[in-house]
Amino acid sequence: GENVEQHPSTLSVQEGDSAVIKCTYSDSASNYFPWYKQELGKGSQLIIDIRSNVGEKKDQRIAVTLNKTAKHFSLHITETQPEDSAVYFCAASPSGGSYIPTFGRGTSLIVHP
Amino acid sequence: ETGVTQTPRHLVMGMTNKKSLKCEQHLGHNAMYWYKQSAKKPLELMFVYNFKEQTENNSVPSRFSPECPNSSHLFLHLHTLQPEDSALYLCASSQDWGLGSAAFFGQGTRLTVV
Repeated sequence: GENVEQHPSTLSVQEGDSAVIKCTYSDSASNYFPWYKQELGKGSQLIIDIRSNVGEKKDQRIAVTLNKTAKHFSLHITETQPEDSAVYFCAASPSGGSYIPTFGRGTSLIVHP
Repeated sequence: ETGVTQTPRHLVMGMTNKKSLKCEQHLGHNAMYWYKQSAKKPLELMFVYNFKEQTENNSVPSRFSPECPNSSHLFLHLHTLQPEDSALYLCASSQDWGLGSAAFFGQGTRLTVV
């Protein structure tokens, strides 16, 4: 089955800095890669996703890159703000079957004002 | 507002109790999911329902019993749980099952088994 590794487990940055979270996956059949933000007391929110037919996708301060050859994808947050502090999960979903994503273990991002 | 609502938000129950978790979505989605999130572990898929039919049971113990009366509601019935079942239980829904559509999560029920 699919195995998703996520690093780092915790990430502490100063406000305004960039933050990068990296994930690797094992199943070459995976073709959909969502990222979720989980804030304390709230449900997990889909913040950005990417499919295997593109290498990069941006949405304001958030971007995701995908390297299919190396089987890794990354979340980039620029100009971080304290409200970006949360736990971020990456996931990978295989093609040709059910949408059952495999999640990484999560990264706790702390943005210091 | 995520569109997926879970109740209760917090639940403390004894090992001999019977309780139910409720999930509701009015997004018009056809697939609903139960996930378990334990400390320091990845999200674990428990059950998948597609058009009210259970399509996945990820080797979940029988003390967890799901119910999907319609496409908008999903329940997780709990009985004779163990302390190690204490976790955050998340419900999610997606438009379709099998097309890699995005899932939307509820806020979760934080369950403590004493």
